[in-house]
Amino acid sequence: DAGVTQSPTHLIKTRGQQVTLRCSPKSGHDTVSWYQQALGQGPQFIFQYYEEEERQRGNFPDRFSGHQFPNYSSELNVNALLLGDSALYLCASSLSGGPTSYEQYFGPGTRLTVT
Amino acid sequence: DQQVKQNSPSLSVQEGRISILNCDYTNSMFDYFLWYKKYPAEGPTFLISISSIKDKNEDGRFTVFLNKSAKHLSLHIVPSQPGDSAVYFCAARARGGGATNKLIFGTGTLLAVQP
Repeated sequence: DAGVTQSPTHLIKTRGQQVTLRCSPKSGHDTVSWYQQALGQGPQFIFQYYEEEERQRGNFPDRFSGHQFPNYSSELNVNALLLGDSALYLCASSLSGGPTSYEQYFGPGTRLTVT
Repeated sequence: DQQVKQNSPSLSVQEGRISILNCDYTNSMFDYFLWYKKYPAEGPTFLISISSIKDKNEDGRFTVFLNKSAKHLSLHIVPSQPGDSAVYFCAARARGGGATNKLIFGTGTLLAVQP
């Protein structure tokens, strides 16, 4: 049973650049959420995608955008990178509408470093 | 505004003894609570959950207790094993519009189980 996968594992970018992170959900899941985890903090919700639309968004600026594809995989895009965007970016998948829709399963994350 | 709080940054326990990890929350609208375990360089792994209408849920060595009046939950691990050494995150589900949902995390507790 394939779990949540993310790519790349690590990424180094320069301030002002743009980055795209990718996620494939757990087999059978249709909903993807993205979280940012800064050092020493818990994951912070960025947004959630279902049926190829952004359904809910956390307190993140418009520089953060995403996309969900028909196969349920997802991308997170961050424009005009700031030093403060350096973090671990986590993708989580879940099955919408089921009795366990609250359970989100996480990928290994992408470590983004902005210099 | 930290809606989910884990006030103990770290906990050290002897192998075979009980580990008790605590979590407090402020939002009475949360309907599910989850515990995740995280090893370095990995994504959070789902451990156990509890509905807000329950006061206890047990799965093997892991038991979660919920005290709604105190807005407090705890995770008990018995017996503790060295492999349990990790960061433990408490999370709560906040329902959004429709079927969307996001998880709000605490800052984590680092558990060290000494052999």
